[in-house]
Amino acid sequence: DGGITQSPKYLFRKEGQNVTLSCEQNLNHDAMYWYRQDPGQGLRLIYYSQIVNDFQKGDIAEGYSVSREKKESFPLTVTSAQKNPTAFYLCASFSGQNYGYTFGSGTRLTVV
Amino acid sequence: DAKTTQPPSMDCAEGRAANLPCNHSTISGNEYVYWYRQIHSQGPQYIIHGLKNNETNEMASLIITEDRKSSTLILPHATLRDTAVYYCIVRDDPYGNKLVFGAGTILRVKS
Repeated sequence: DGGITQSPKYLFRKEGQNVTLSCEQNLNHDAMYWYRQDPGQGLRLIYYSQIVNDFQKGDIAEGYSVSREKKESFPLTVTSAQKNPTAFYLCASFSGQNYGYTFGSGTRLTVV
Repeated sequence: DAKTTQPPSMDCAEGRAANLPCNHSTISGNEYVYWYRQIHSQGPQYIIHGLKNNETNEMASLIITEDRKSSTLILPHATLRDTAVYYCIVRDDPYGNKLVFGAGTILRVKS
């Protein structure tokens, strides 16, 4: 079945470490997105990519980095510059048609 | 910032219709209204979308007012599994496809 796979589901990071969250899709979608969700709040856009080798900052890009070397993959790196990284991270893709976006099941990152 | 306004929470009795309102008074002519829901600790799930006409699918119905400034998502026979946060979203970027999420409505279906 087509979909988005995020891994790992839970991730623990020590302060000062960089960590990379994986997002892979087999939907042949051009556009991919990373959102952050804090408890009791909506989703905030971190980065998005509309095509391979191109990406744009969202509303809260500071302390994060991404790459888009392949259509299927859009990994997110949470750097040590992100002061409050503990959150639920969601990856999504969009086909470019007027259909729904597809979300992954999320990665819950905790700084210990 | 999100361009939609939703009530923070609603309750609904199991088996009854759940009507979730959304105001989007600044919507432009080519913007679609999308509805998603998020069950705790999962990714949001697409429900339905529309431009100006009412829409229905196997999950829900979407009623959009004639002036397009508001809409209502209808779950015709709510079940306990419909308890979730429901997001009403308009497409933010007409040349791209970013989605801007607000806080949504917490729907609690009670037996």
